[in-house]
Amino acid sequence: EAQVTQNPRYLITVTGKKLTVTCSQNMNHEYMSWYRQDPGLGLRQIYYSMNVEVTDKGDVPEGYKVSRKEKRNFPLILESPSPNQTSLYFCATSRGGTGYNYEQYFGPGTRLTVT
Amino acid sequence: SQKIEQNSEALNIQEGKTATLTCNYTNYSPAYLQWYRQDPGRGPVFLLLIRENEKEKRKERLKVTFDTTLKQSLFHITASQPADSATYLCALIYNQGGKLIFGQGTELSVKP
Repeated sequence: EAQVTQNPRYLITVTGKKLTVTCSQNMNHEYMSWYRQDPGLGLRQIYYSMNVEVTDKGDVPEGYKVSRKEKRNFPLILESPSPNQTSLYFCATSRGGTGYNYEQYFGPGTRLTVT
Repeated sequence: SQKIEQNSEALNIQEGKTATLTCNYTNYSPAYLQWYRQDPGRGPVFLLLIRENEKEKRKERLKVTFDTTLKQSLFHITASQPADSATYLCALIYNQGGKLIFGQGTELSVKP
């Protein structure tokens, strides 16, 4: 079954404690991306990756890091989380080498609370 | 900077009617525009894509139009059903396909 998985699904943490949210896909997709969703602000892109070892900033990259060492995984790293990073996070993948004319498949989401 | 706006208010319609959702954008000429459906607590699900050289695209009860002069896309659901109740998002794609901008979404409620 084609899947995008995220872990953890829910996380409550404290300010400054480094965390990683994993994203894995089994569809052999080249393109992967991270979004955060906040009430009234909609989905905002954090980082994206066109292919292995290729990453680029989205609209809200501050406070986040990513890496793409292998095709199937695209972890999101918060080195020093702050309360304003409390949000619902989605990973998405796309078949093509660009996000252009390919639909994006979204993961189930990770709800993060930073106290 | 790029800006994309959808109907800010929730849309309430009667079952069987046609729902029309609007997506307006500024400062950009996208090559592609996508529409997604999102249910509460779940990730968005792709519905339709339309290219800049396409005026209209249809899929079953769904229809999307794309007017690059008006910088607007309209999303129609004909013969709406309560199961169509959800939030609908439009997204513009640019920067060689890497970057996406989403609208804030329009919540649709279809009453029986």
